[in-house]
Amino acid sequence: EDKVVQSPLSLVVHEGDTVTLNCSYEVTNFRSLLWYKQEKKAPTFLFMLTSSGIEKKSGRLSSILDKKELFSILNITATQTGDSAVYLCAVLHNTDKLIFGTGTRLQVFP
Amino acid sequence: EPEVTQTPSHQVTQMGQEVILRCVPISNHLYFYWYRQILGQKVEFLVSFYNNEISEKSEIFDDQFSVERPDGSNFTLKIRSTKLEDSAMYFCASRLGTGRETQYFGPGTRLLVL
Repeated sequence: EDKVVQSPLSLVVHEGDTVTLNCSYEVTNFRSLLWYKQEKKAPTFLFMLTSSGIEKKSGRLSSILDKKELFSILNITATQTGDSAVYLCAVLHNTDKLIFGTGTRLQVFP
Repeated sequence: EPEVTQTPSHQVTQMGQEVILRCVPISNHLYFYWYRQILGQKVEFLVSFYNNEISEKSEIFDDQFSVERPDGSNFTLKIRSTKLEDSAMYFCASRLGTGRETQYFGPGTRLLVL
């Protein structure tokens, strides 16, 4: 059965800390891996990763994919209270459906 | 920036009633999806839709569910006879087309079946 596993489930940090969120997957017919940020409602798109070893960056956030070891990490540097959210990892299957992990709940305190 | 929109934001219904959840995908997008998230659980794929046809559906998407694109802008999910276990947040998503694989999500409709 296809699965996506995220760790940790929950993380509490102080502003300014750096965090690393993990996502491992066992998905047949993998096409790409996506990260989303979910605050109150809609998951908002962060990154799509298709190739191994190529880091994607957006401001303080970055992400990389390892297709040999079947995992991805999402890094957030110099965290801010506005980074508090649930971060979702999802694998895009060849059939065009997203398979989601349970998410990592990040809380950033001042 | 264009967004996926969904109505209503909340819906409360009695078991056995029919509900229709509405979505307006981003205007030039061609592929449409419904996902759901039961409280405390993962987001789960329900169905994908392209060119006025269902492309893929999950085991969850049984005969009580149907989808429709009744006009050029709306995309609906109908649940014919709701059950208690249908209570969830339902997300609509859309993407542009071939080679543009990012799915963009709407804010969701929280459905509560009593």
